[in-house]
Amino acid sequence: DSGVTQTPKHLITATGQRVTLRCSPRSGDLSVYWYQQSLDQGLQFLIQYYNGEERAKGNILERFSAQQFPDLHSELNLSSLELGDSALYFCASSTRTGTDSPLHFGNGTRLTVT
Amino acid sequence: AQSVAQPEDQVNVAEGNPLTVKCTYSVSGNPYLFWYVQYPNRGLQFLLKYITGDNLVKGSYGFEAEFNKSQTSFHLKKPSALVSDSALYFCAAIANQGGKLIFGQGTELSVKP
Repeated sequence: DSGVTQTPKHLITATGQRVTLRCSPRSGDLSVYWYQQSLDQGLQFLIQYYNGEERAKGNILERFSAQQFPDLHSELNLSSLELGDSALYFCASSTRTGTDSPLHFGNGTRLTVT
Repeated sequence: AQSVAQPEDQVNVAEGNPLTVKCTYSVSGNPYLFWYVQYPNRGLQFLLKYITGDNLVKGSYGFEAEFNKSQTSFHLKKPSALVSDSALYFCAAIANQGGKLIFGQGTELSVKP
């Protein structure tokens, strides 16, 4: 068990809808990362937060947004959903934003857009 | 552009035989290198990392990786494969001065009895 909790595990929704994915990082970890994994795109980095502030941005669409709250949990908001947004979304956390810290991944949220 | 390549989509090995999963990187400076493993319906799990020092790094579950600066490679190895090692393996790299952690596309390891 990595200590990173993601909810919900599964989400099925229709095109055009909006969903929120939630992540609780490992105790003591200040950095939170969001990744999208799909068969055709592989593992894509979306965004990183460190202690409540956005630290790095990857291939995140404008329809997607995220934030990290004072208690360090994070939420990823996906809006105007399209079929292509169907994927596994992972949250990961690390002790600090240092480059040598390994990431600890949650078990993901599987999003299906119909 | 910085990148990590895993040239094999799939590696097939017989149980008990040695295994190698290949990784090469193109990252500026002296990168930090990582291997992660993903089992079905689970998140990635950290296996090992290279920061500096000895080129042979030992990690979890009997895995090790060899850093080769001249060949910009960081191959994952295990002397004797187990069926339970069957999983998806990801190599990742990040520049030591900061930046984004870059993942390879993953290699599916299949170990047959």
